[in-house]
Amino acid sequence: GAGVSQSPRYKVAKRGQDVALRCDPISGHVSLFWYQQALGQGPEFLTYFQNEAQLDKSGLPSDRFFAERPEGSVSTLKIQRTQQEDSAVYLCASSSWGGLALGEQYFGPGTRLTVT
Amino acid sequence: GESVGLHLPTLSVQEGDNSIINCAYSNSASDYFIWYKQESGKGPQFIIDIRSNMDKRQGQRVTVLLNKTVKHLSLQIAATQPGDSAVYFCAESGANSKLTFGKGITLSVRP
Repeated sequence: GAGVSQSPRYKVAKRGQDVALRCDPISGHVSLFWYQQALGQGPEFLTYFQNEAQLDKSGLPSDRFFAERPEGSVSTLKIQRTQQEDSAVYLCASSSWGGLALGEQYFGPGTRLTVT
Repeated sequence: GESVGLHLPTLSVQEGDNSIINCAYSNSASDYFIWYKQESGKGPQFIIDIRSNMDKRQGQRVTVLLNKTVKHLSLQIAATQPGDSAVYFCAESGANSKLTFGKGITLSVRP
Protein backbone atom coordinates (compact mmCIF):
# COMPACT_ATOMS: atom_id res chain seq x y z
CA GLY A 1 0.00 0.00 0.00
CA ALA A 2 1.12 3.53 -0.73
CA GLY A 3 2.33 5.63 2.15
CA VAL A 4 2.59 9.39 2.39
CA SER A 5 4.42 10.85 -0.57
CA GLN A 6 5.97 14.26 -0.96
CA SER A 7 7.33 16.14 -3.91
CA PRO A 8 9.78 17.37 -4.81
CA ARG A 9 12.20 15.47 -2.61
CA TYR A 10 14.78 18.21 -2.98
CA LYS A 11 14.32 21.85 -3.83
CA VAL A 12 16.94 24.54 -4.22
CA ALA A 13 15.60 28.08 -4.32
CA LYS A 14 17.29 31.42 -4.57
CA ARG A 15 16.48 33.82 -1.79
CA GLY A 16 13.30 35.68 -2.63
CA GLN A 17 11.78 32.95 -4.77
CA ASP A 18 8.44 31.34 -4.00
CA VAL A 19 8.23 27.56 -3.53
CA ALA A 20 5.39 25.06 -3.36
CA LEU A 21 5.75 21.72 -1.63
CA ARG A 22 3.23 18.96 -2.23
CA CYS A 23 1.97 16.22 0.09
CA ASP A 24 -0.11 13.22 -0.92
CA PRO A 25 -1.43 11.64 2.28
CA ILE A 26 -2.57 8.08 2.70
CA SER A 27 -5.92 7.71 0.97
CA GLY A 28 -8.82 8.30 3.31
CA HIS A 29 -6.78 9.84 6.09
CA VAL A 30 -8.69 12.61 7.79
CA SER A 31 -5.84 14.50 9.41
CA LEU A 32 -2.82 16.04 7.74
CA PHE A 33 0.10 17.74 9.42
CA TRP A 34 3.06 19.77 8.23
CA TYR A 35 6.30 19.92 10.21
CA GLN A 36 9.60 21.71 9.74
CA GLN A 37 12.77 19.86 10.70
CA ALA A 38 16.05 21.70 11.01
CA LEU A 39 19.28 19.74 10.78
CA GLY A 40 19.87 17.71 13.93
CA GLN A 41 16.58 18.73 15.46
CA GLY A 42 13.21 17.12 15.96
CA PRO A 43 10.28 18.04 13.75
CA GLU A 44 8.42 21.19 14.72
CA PHE A 45 4.71 21.53 14.12
CA LEU A 46 3.61 24.00 11.48
CA THR A 47 -0.06 23.41 10.75
CA TYR A 48 -2.88 20.87 10.89
CA PHE A 49 -5.85 20.05 8.66
CA GLN A 50 -8.88 17.96 9.42
CA ASN A 51 -10.25 17.18 5.98
CA GLU A 52 -10.18 20.52 4.15
CA ALA A 53 -10.36 22.65 7.27
CA GLN A 54 -7.16 24.17 8.59
CA LEU A 55 -7.78 23.92 12.31
CA ASP A 56 -4.41 24.98 13.62
CA LYS A 57 -1.76 27.10 11.97
CA SER A 58 -0.07 28.29 15.12
CA GLY A 59 3.30 26.89 14.08
CA LEU A 60 3.66 28.76 10.82
CA PRO A 61 6.68 31.00 11.38
CA SER A 62 5.51 33.98 9.37
CA ASP A 63 2.87 35.16 6.96
CA ARG A 64 5.16 34.04 4.15
CA PHE A 65 4.06 30.49 4.91
CA PHE A 66 0.71 29.32 3.62
CA ALA A 67 -0.85 25.86 3.47
CA GLU A 68 -3.97 24.56 1.83
CA ARG A 69 -5.86 21.31 1.39
CA PRO A 70 -8.80 22.36 -0.77
CA GLU A 71 -10.38 18.95 -1.36
CA GLY A 72 -9.39 17.31 1.86
CA SER A 73 -6.71 15.11 0.31
CA VAL A 74 -3.58 16.58 -1.31
CA SER A 75 -2.01 19.49 0.51
CA THR A 76 0.39 22.18 -0.59
CA LEU A 77 2.73 24.20 1.61
CA LYS A 78 3.75 27.43 -0.03
CA ILE A 79 6.58 29.65 1.09
CA GLN A 80 6.76 33.09 -0.41
CA ARG A 81 9.94 35.17 -0.72
CA THR A 82 12.10 32.41 0.70
CA GLN A 83 14.84 33.31 3.17
CA GLN A 84 17.93 31.34 4.13
CA GLU A 85 16.43 30.52 7.50
CA ASP A 86 13.67 28.62 5.67
CA SER A 87 16.22 25.96 4.71
CA ALA A 88 15.04 22.75 6.35
CA VAL A 89 13.28 19.47 5.70
CA TYR A 90 9.53 19.89 5.46
CA LEU A 91 7.66 16.80 6.59
CA CYS A 92 4.08 15.90 5.97
CA ALA A 93 2.19 13.36 8.06
CA SER A 94 -1.31 11.96 7.92
CA SER A 95 -3.51 10.12 10.34
CA SER A 96 -6.78 8.26 10.11
CA TRP A 97 -7.84 9.90 13.36
CA GLY A 98 -9.36 13.33 13.69
CA GLY A 99 -7.64 15.50 16.24
CA LEU A 100 -4.23 16.95 16.77
CA ALA A 101 -2.61 14.13 18.65
CA LEU A 102 -4.84 11.12 18.52
CA GLY A 103 -3.36 8.02 17.05
CA GLU A 104 -0.39 7.27 14.92
CA GLN A 105 0.85 9.77 12.39
CA TYR A 106 2.43 8.40 9.22
CA PHE A 107 5.21 10.56 7.86
CA GLY A 108 6.34 11.13 4.31
CA PRO A 109 10.03 11.24 3.35
CA GLY A 110 10.11 15.02 3.44
CA THR A 111 11.19 17.75 1.06
CA ARG A 112 14.65 19.16 1.70
CA LEU A 113 14.56 22.86 0.91
CA THR A 114 17.81 24.73 0.49
CA VAL A 115 17.67 28.48 0.05
CA THR A 116 20.81 30.01 -1.42
CA GLY B 1 9.02 26.93 29.02
CA GLU B 2 7.77 23.48 28.26
CA SER B 3 10.16 21.16 26.53
CA VAL B 4 10.92 17.60 25.71
CA GLY B 5 14.56 16.66 25.70
CA LEU B 6 16.94 13.76 25.55
CA HIS B 7 19.81 13.29 27.97
CA LEU B 8 22.48 12.11 25.53
CA PRO B 9 23.08 13.05 21.92
CA THR B 10 24.58 9.69 20.88
CA LEU B 11 24.46 6.12 22.07
CA SER B 12 26.77 3.37 20.85
CA VAL B 13 25.90 -0.25 21.62
CA GLN B 14 27.21 -3.65 20.66
CA GLU B 15 25.06 -5.72 18.36
CA GLY B 16 22.99 -8.10 20.43
CA ASP B 17 23.03 -5.94 23.54
CA ASN B 18 19.99 -4.15 24.90
CA SER B 19 19.68 -0.41 24.30
CA ILE B 20 18.02 2.11 26.57
CA ILE B 21 17.20 5.56 25.29
CA ASN B 22 15.99 8.11 27.81
CA CYS B 23 13.85 11.19 27.50
CA ALA B 24 12.74 13.85 29.97
CA TYR B 25 9.65 15.96 29.54
CA SER B 26 8.62 19.02 31.50
CA ASN B 27 4.91 19.43 30.69
CA SER B 28 3.05 17.68 33.48
CA ALA B 29 -0.16 17.99 31.45
CA SER B 30 1.21 15.70 28.74
CA ASP B 31 -0.78 12.51 28.52
CA TYR B 32 0.37 10.89 25.30
CA PHE B 33 3.91 9.90 24.39
CA ILE B 34 5.41 8.40 21.26
CA TRP B 35 8.80 7.13 20.20
CA TYR B 36 9.81 7.64 16.59
CA LYS B 37 12.76 6.26 14.63
CA GLN B 38 14.21 8.26 11.77
CA GLU B 39 16.68 6.86 9.27
CA SER B 40 18.74 9.08 7.04
CA GLY B 41 16.68 10.59 4.25
CA LYS B 42 13.40 9.28 5.58
CA GLY B 43 10.56 10.60 7.64
CA PRO B 44 10.05 9.54 11.26
CA GLN B 45 8.62 6.07 11.70
CA PHE B 46 6.30 5.26 14.58
CA ILE B 47 7.76 2.73 17.03
CA ILE B 48 5.50 2.64 20.04
CA ASP B 49 3.24 4.90 22.05
CA ILE B 50 1.97 5.06 25.60
CA ARG B 51 -0.73 7.02 27.37
CA SER B 52 -0.39 8.47 30.81
CA ASN B 53 -2.70 5.90 32.39
CA MET B 54 -0.03 3.26 31.78
CA ASP B 55 3.56 2.94 32.98
CA LYS B 56 4.76 0.25 30.62
CA ARG B 57 3.94 -0.96 27.16
CA GLN B 58 5.63 -3.65 25.12
CA GLY B 59 5.96 -4.18 21.43
CA GLN B 60 8.10 -6.40 19.31
CA ARG B 61 11.61 -6.11 20.83
CA VAL B 62 10.72 -2.68 22.23
CA THR B 63 9.39 -1.55 25.57
CA VAL B 64 8.40 1.95 26.59
CA LEU B 65 8.45 2.94 30.24
CA LEU B 66 6.75 6.03 31.60
CA ASN B 67 7.51 7.49 35.01
CA LYS B 68 5.11 10.37 35.55
CA THR B 69 6.52 11.16 38.98
CA VAL B 70 9.83 12.28 37.55
CA LYS B 71 8.50 13.00 34.04
CA HIS B 72 10.74 10.47 32.38
CA LEU B 73 10.22 8.27 29.35
CA SER B 74 12.48 5.52 28.13
CA LEU B 75 12.69 3.22 25.15
CA GLN B 76 14.27 -0.17 25.57
CA ILE B 77 15.33 -2.15 22.53
CA ALA B 78 16.14 -5.81 23.10
CA ALA B 79 18.90 -7.56 21.18
CA THR B 80 19.86 -4.46 19.22
CA GLN B 81 20.47 -5.07 15.55
CA PRO B 82 22.35 -3.06 12.91
CA GLY B 83 19.00 -2.10 11.41
CA ASP B 84 18.17 -0.29 14.63
CA SER B 85 20.82 2.32 13.87
CA ALA B 86 18.95 5.60 13.45
CA VAL B 87 17.98 8.78 15.24
CA TYR B 88 15.31 8.29 17.87
CA PHE B 89 12.86 10.98 18.96
CA CYS B 90 10.46 11.07 21.83
CA ALA B 91 7.35 13.19 21.38
CA GLU B 92 4.62 14.25 23.75
CA SER B 93 1.28 15.98 23.72
CA GLY B 94 -1.43 17.08 26.07
CA ALA B 95 -5.17 16.94 25.57
CA ASN B 96 -5.99 17.93 21.99
CA SER B 97 -2.61 19.54 21.51
CA LYS B 98 0.03 19.13 18.90
CA LEU B 99 2.96 16.76 19.20
CA THR B 100 6.16 18.26 20.56
CA PHE B 101 9.32 16.42 19.58
CA GLY B 102 12.58 16.23 21.44
CA LYS B 103 15.91 16.88 19.77
CA GLY B 104 16.80 13.30 18.96
CA ILE B 105 19.49 10.82 19.89
CA THR B 106 21.60 8.84 17.48
CA LEU B 107 21.81 5.11 18.13
CA SER B 108 24.86 3.47 16.59
CA VAL B 109 25.13 -0.31 16.62
CA ARG B 110 28.64 -1.78 16.55
CA PRO B 111 28.96 -5.12 14.74
